Amino acid sequence: GAVVSQHPSRVICKSGTSVKIECRSLDFQATTMFWYRQFPKQSLMLMATSNEGSKATYEQGVEKDKFLINHASLTLSTLTVTSAHPEDSSFYICSARDLGGEGTDTQYFGPGTRLTVL
Amino acid sequence: QKEVEQDPGPLSVPEGAIVSLNCTYSNSAFQYFMWYRQYSRKGPELLMYTYSSGNKEDGRFTAQVDKSSKYISLFIRDSQPSDSATYLCAMGTYGGATNKLIFGTGTLLAVQP
Repeated sequence: GAVVSQHPSRVICKSGTSVKIECRSLDFQATTMFWYRQFPKQSLMLMATSNEGSKATYEQGVEKDKFLINHASLTLSTLTVTSAHPEDSSFYICSARDLGGEGTDTQYFGPGTRLTVL
Repeated sequence: QKEVEQDPGPLSVPEGAIVSLNCTYSNSAFQYFMWYRQYSRKGPELLMYTYSSGNKEDGRFTAQVDKSSKYISLFIRDSQPSDSATYLCAMGTYGGATNKLIFGTGTLLAVQP
């Protein structure tokens, strides 16, 4: 299957700092990437849809000025958590859309980034 | 009513058992269906992808889709302790510009050695 990487895998930061998370599709081009947030023992919560070369589309209740998304190339999307606070501590996962052969349209996920804000 | 319903479990089975995981959905527009496996503190891993009613088999895994009943299943044969994880169903429609997937809440499976 297609491979998606995420960096860093874990980050601990002080309250008020900004944190950037990178998501890369390694062996395919992804015009669309997605950013999710997951709390312990809960399912994935879609935060935003990132489209290459255009503004991200945010889900209801997600602050776009808080969670900055940039999709500068077909293989890279970044999520920046600005002025992070302890309530932003969570597991952040990206996925990349793969329009493969035989009419498939699926998402491959990165390994996730665990953010802890002190 | 949620678009996708999935029993959260936990589901505990002995090693070697056949496991049945299920999701129901309400939106008849869904055209393709996936099952992901997620280990603790890891990203979801795609297990099965199917877009037609019927069965699709891959090793010990069989995905079943019944569009008339809006019901999908994942069967795991000869379950192993390494299958212990959360299983998420997901579904979507073709043709969208961005194509969000709709996920179930996930079923936590524990296979006891």
